[in-house]
Amino acid sequence: GNSVTQMEGPVTLSEEAFLTINCTYTATGYPSLFWYVQYPGEGLQLLLKATKADDKGSNKGFEATYRKETTSFHLEKGSVQVSDSAVYFCALSEGGGFKTIFGAGTRLFVKA
Amino acid sequence: DTGVSQDPRHKITKRGQNVTFRCDPISEHNRLYWYRQTLGQGPEFLTYFQNEAQLEKSRLLSDRFSAERPKGSFSTLEIQRTEQGDSAMYLCASSPLRRGGGGELFFGEGSRLTVL
Repeated sequence: GNSVTQMEGPVTLSEEAFLTINCTYTATGYPSLFWYVQYPGEGLQLLLKATKADDKGSNKGFEATYRKETTSFHLEKGSVQVSDSAVYFCALSEGGGFKTIFGAGTRLFVKA
Repeated sequence: DTGVSQDPRHKITKRGQNVTFRCDPISEHNRLYWYRQTLGQGPEFLTYFQNEAQLEKSRLLSDRFSAERPKGSFSTLEIQRTEQGDSAMYLCASSPLRRGGGGELFFGEGSRLTVL
């Protein structure tokens, strides 16, 4: 079945450091790929998405490129801030988009 | 605030009791979803409604679980004879009907269930 695997956390970085959170997926078709973020005390919200191969999603300085050849969708940010501290979830959906499958989440701590 | 709202935010109950959670989606969204999230894990799909029709149920949804969306607006998730393993965060999400998939989910803040 379809699945999403992302790097285990927690990830601890200093402010202005470069961030990469790895995500790979297994899917039978051509899924859409997402990164969701959950800030402390808040619900999950979409950070960025890509719907086809080679698409790049971007938002708030975060980027991820849909790589079909490596079945990956790694999240990157060039300079993290303390306010980026949160849990990040990689996810995919296919089959009309009604079922979204999430990875286990990666907790990010950013120190001032 | 016109986001997804869930009630109650936290429920503590004793094993064997029944509990019910309510979700009010974004008003123009046709699709409504329930997910369950346990500590350190991502959300797991439970069930999905398009308008009032329940179109998909996960095998995670045992016979003790029932979900309804009677008028295609709010939804309820009932758990009968709760067990300690039911302790989790129950998340509701909604989305508009969109051709071709690739749709964003809009989540509520969740209802946390603790079964003693």
